[in-house]
Parts: sequence; structure tokens; C-alpha cells
Amino acid sequence: DAKTTQPTSMDCAEGRAANLPCNHSTISGNEYVYWYRQIHSQGPQYIIHGLKNNETNEMASLIITEDRKSSTLILPHATLRDTAVYYCIVRVEVSNFGNEKLTFGTGTRLTIIP
Amino acid sequence: SAVISQKPSRDICQRGTSLTIQCQVDSQVTMMFWYRQQPGQSLTLIATANQGSEATYESGFVIDKFPISRPNLTFSTLTVSNMSPEDSSIYLCSVDMVQGISYTFGSGTRLTVV
Repeated sequence: DAKTTQPTSMDCAEGRAANLPCNHSTISGNEYVYWYRQIHSQGPQYIIHGLKNNETNEMASLIITEDRKSSTLILPHATLRDTAVYYCIVRVEVSNFGNEKLTFGTGTRLTIIP
Repeated sequence: SAVISQKPSRDICQRGTSLTIQCQVDSQVTMMFWYRQQPGQSLTLIATANQGSEATYESGFVIDKFPISRPNLTFSTLTVSNMSPEDSSIYLCSVDMVQGISYTFGSGTRLTVV
């Protein structure tokens, strides 16, 4: 399984862009990078995922380096409600049927400061 | 995305007893996953539940301790057997929607064993 490395914690000022880095140097060619977040006492929430190209949705942008060994999740205008633990996950394929599981690392605790 | 209902949302149980957690999805899904999140820790996958076959357990988790049922494509149960205080955790159900493209999590069951 490709492993991910994230900083333990980060702070970001409200209204500024939050940039969360993730290293996944052992990622293989067909593995996707997923980002989830977990707000206190809730189940993880899907944010975004990508394979090679940069991706953007209504929540965030995902920038993946050309060698795919690292990525950055960008929350363009952070609000207090974005305070959460953010998980960078590389998806593992379990079987030939495409049944895949998510393996969570320790994540980054992002605190948005007023 | 799917809507997942997990019951109970929380419980306090006596050591030596068992608790069955239910996970109901509002649409048919191929794969259902059960996770454990110990206090202050990340999520750890317990097992993957397929409809019509035995669950696949991760290293460190056994069927006798965490029996799982998957009677149909919208429902699964996880039983935590012969509980001890070390089993105090949040237990989360997750489903994949489209061949692993999107994963949705329930809100979890907060279990305290006394």
C-alpha cells in the first residue's frame, strides 16, 4: 500500500487560503489520491480526489505534482467551519472486481483562526 | 451520494456483553465497510462486507470478536462481542457508490464500555 505523510497540525486565518500538503512518494500509476475531512464527532466527509490532473470542485482544489509523489489540498477561503482533521488517502485496489478500500493515515488537524 | 443511517448513535455497555450496530443505506451498494476509531486516533478498517459472502477481515480483527452480517444490498450489522473497556471507540459504517469512486460514511456509533 502506498503510504501518505501529512503534517500533524496547521493553522490558517479565516478568509485566507488553506494549503494542506501530502507526500505519497510510493504511489503507483493507477492509484488515486483522495481527501476526506472529519469534523469533530462526525463521520468523514469526502472532499475531492484525483489521479494525475489538478481537480477543482465547489469545496476545494487538488494540486498533484507531475511525478505524483505529493499533492496539496487548497481550501480557497477558509471559514471557521473548515476546522477539522483532513486525511490524504491513496486508494488501494483489493481485488480484480475493483472492490477498493480506503486506508486512513493520521491526518492533519487544521484549525481556522478568527 | 448515499444516505447512511447508523444505529445506535451511542451506547454505554457493561464489559462482557455484546452490542450489535446497524447500518442502513437508502440505495443498493456493492461494498460496505466497517471502521473503528479509537479515542484521539485515526480510522482503522475492521472488515469489508459483501452481500452473500463472508466478510473479509483486516489484520488484527477476527470474526469471533466482530461478527458481521450482510443480508442484502442495503443493510449490514457489526457485532462487538464480549466487550472490554479497550473496545470503547467510535464504529463507522461506510459504503462505496460507483466502483470505489465515491465513499460515504455514516455518522458513527460511539461505544463506551464500563
